[in-house]
Amino acid sequence: EIVLTQSPATLSLSPGERATLSCRASQSVSSYLAWYQQKPGQAPRLLIYDASNRATGIPARFSGSGSGTDFTLTISSLEPEDFAVYYCQQRTRVTFGPGTKVDIK
Amino acid sequence: EVQLVESGGGLVQPGGSLRLSCAASGFTFSSYDMHWVRQATGKGLEWVSAIGTAGDTYYPGSVKGRFTISRENAKNSLYLQMNSLRAGDTAVYYCARLEQGYFDLWGRGTLVTVSS
Repeated sequence: EIVLTQSPATLSLSPGERATLSCRASQSVSSYLAWYQQKPGQAPRLLIYDASNRATGIPARFSGSGSGTDFTLTISSLEPEDFAVYYCQQRTRVTFGPGTKVDIK
Repeated sequence: EVQLVESGGGLVQPGGSLRLSCAASGFTFSSYDMHWVRQATGKGLEWVSAIGTAGDTYYPGSVKGRFTISRENAKNSLYLQMNSLRAGDTAVYYCARLEQGYFDLWGRGTLVTVSS
């Protein structure tokens, strides 16, 4: 089973700052990785698929990069609505990372 | 409107059973693989089961033999029959649509609480 780890567990930033979130796979997943955003009381929302493609309706401030075992989600300038938990997911045999919480500093 | 709506959650005693339903609308349900994903309070996402368009089913070891996923395309509905429930099964259960390996549509979830 492919295990995903995310770092940091919590990221404390201010609106307008840049957020950089990491996801690492225990073995290569090629580019088959997605990122989701989840706000309290809501279902997850797909942000990025195949490592770097934004899903429909996702703002350009969200970008993804990486391949193999190391992936990054970048939020270029945090908006108030971006404070949430972010999960990565690999598609080979569905598994999720433990999440990174982005909270307000 | 394209949406998924779960129902059937509630309080059940350990060892009991529960059947969850997910009603799909606004898209061609029969054309998609469908999944159940759960989330315990304050915890991360855990994949629970999957069913392909041909009715093939998949489970992780944690629920295999206890949970059964099924679908009824004529009713645009997905189901999860959960037997031998344990306290560790307590979670919000989401149904989710799979598109090219990723979950592009989620329901709002239904809460299952296993407790005496």
